[in-house]
Amino acid sequence: TQLLEQSPQFLSIQEGENLTVYCNSSSVFSSLQWYRQEPGEGPVLLVTVVTGGEVKKLKRLTFQFGDARKDSSLHITAAQPGDTGLYLCAGGQGAQKLVFGQGTRLTINP
Amino acid sequence: DAGVIQSPRHEVTEMGQEVTLRCKPISGHNSLFWYRQTMMRGLELLIYFNNNVPIDDSGMPEDRFSAKMPNASFSTLKIQPSEPRDSAVYFCASSLGRGEHYSYEQYFGPGTRLTVT
Repeated sequence: TQLLEQSPQFLSIQEGENLTVYCNSSSVFSSLQWYRQEPGEGPVLLVTVVTGGEVKKLKRLTFQFGDARKDSSLHITAAQPGDTGLYLCAGGQGAQKLVFGQGTRLTINP
Repeated sequence: DAGVIQSPRHEVTEMGQEVTLRCKPISGHNSLFWYRQTMMRGLELLIYFNNNVPIDDSGMPEDRFSAKMPNASFSTLKIQPSEPRDSAVYFCASSLGRGEHYSYEQYFGPGTRLTVT
């Protein structure tokens, strides 16, 4: 079974600070997705990366897929309270199946 | 466009009772997934369907769980009999397959919070 480990599990920082969360595995994934989940709602897709070394930017969020396609990172610049939530990475197993990490619970304090 | 619709949003039942969760995927999507989320185990895939056919049910905990997809616009997840350890948030997600080499973006419903007492 392929496993994804996310770190840190919890992160609480002040508004305006930068942060990076990590998603690591010993296995190779065909793709990797990042989701954000807010309380009482389902996860919402932020980005999909498919090529080793790929970097994608979404406003203040920067996503990177490792060269070997085993790990990924999410960097947030100048964090805002609206960035608060549970961030989940998910690795693609074949054509359709995803395996999810445990998540990083991020809190941005005003 | 409507997203994935799940019902009920909350369900409280007693141990031993039958529970049925319902899902309507996004129109046009050809894959449907059932997940369970708990604090201890995170988000776990239970079963998924492609073109209404169950493809992988290896995540279904035991025989008390069953899922059906009678048509492209409706799926159910049934637990019979329910137990307290089944308490969790159950999510349905759907996706539209476009290729064969990487996983497709999944769109999640709001979830059903199940409490078994």
